[in-house]
Amino acid sequence: GAGVSQSPSNKVTEKGKDVELRCDPISGHTALYWYRQSLGQGLEFLIYFQGNSAPDKSGLPSDRFSAERTGGSVSTLTIQRTQQEDSAVYLCASSPRQGEQPQHFGDGTRLSIL
Amino acid sequence: GENVEQHPSTLSVQEGDSAVIKCTYSDSASNYFPWYKQELGKRPQLIIDIRSNVGEKKDQRIAVTLNKTAKHFSLHITETQPEDSAVYFCAARVTGTASKLTFGTGTRLQVTL
Repeated sequence: GAGVSQSPSNKVTEKGKDVELRCDPISGHTALYWYRQSLGQGLEFLIYFQGNSAPDKSGLPSDRFSAERTGGSVSTLTIQRTQQEDSAVYLCASSPRQGEQPQHFGDGTRLSIL
Repeated sequence: GENVEQHPSTLSVQEGDSAVIKCTYSDSASNYFPWYKQELGKRPQLIIDIRSNVGEKKDQRIAVTLNKTAKHFSLHITETQPEDSAVYFCAARVTGTASKLTFGTGTRLQVTL
C-alpha cells in the first residue's frame, strides 16, 4: 500500500479484556516496529520484526503483551487482561530492511482502557 | 541502554525567527539520528536525519548538526512559519541493536504570528 496502515484507529475497552491491534506495513518492507506513545510523552520501543522473526522483544512491558507477524507482512500486537496503564497510542513503523533505513509510521491505534 | 534527552520541552517563536532544539545521547555507539515532526493527532513524519559520518545536513529551512565528541545533535529551523507548529522528536539508534530507535521526550514548537 501507499503507507503503513493500522487498525482500528480507536479502541475503547473495559479493564481485563484482551485487545488485538493490527499493522499492515508498506509493501516490500521487511522490518516492522511497534512503539507506544503515552499522552504527552515520547515514543517507547516495544518490539521489532525482521521478516517473521522478532530479534528484539526487549521493550514489551509485561508478559501480557505479545506480537506476531505472518507472511512477512501483517503484524498483530495483542494485549491480554488490559490495565488502565495500557491506555496509549500504539504506533507501528516499517522500513525496507534493518540497518540504516528510515522508519515510516502509521497513524496509530488510540487505546483507551476504562 | 541508550538514553536520549531533549530540550526544551516547549518553544515559542515569532514567525520568521529561528528555532533550535537540542538533544543529547548517552551511547557513543549510536550512529543514526532522525528527527520526526508530529502534528496533533497525526503520525510522526520523518523530516531529516543524519548519520555519524556527517557533521551537518541541510534541507531547505531545516538543518541538523551532530557533535559526536560531545554526543549531542540539534535541529535548526530558519524562517519559521505557522505550519511549523508541531511536536518535534529526536531519536538515536545504536549500531547493532536491530534498528530500534530511542526517542527524546519531544519539543512542542509554537510559531506565533
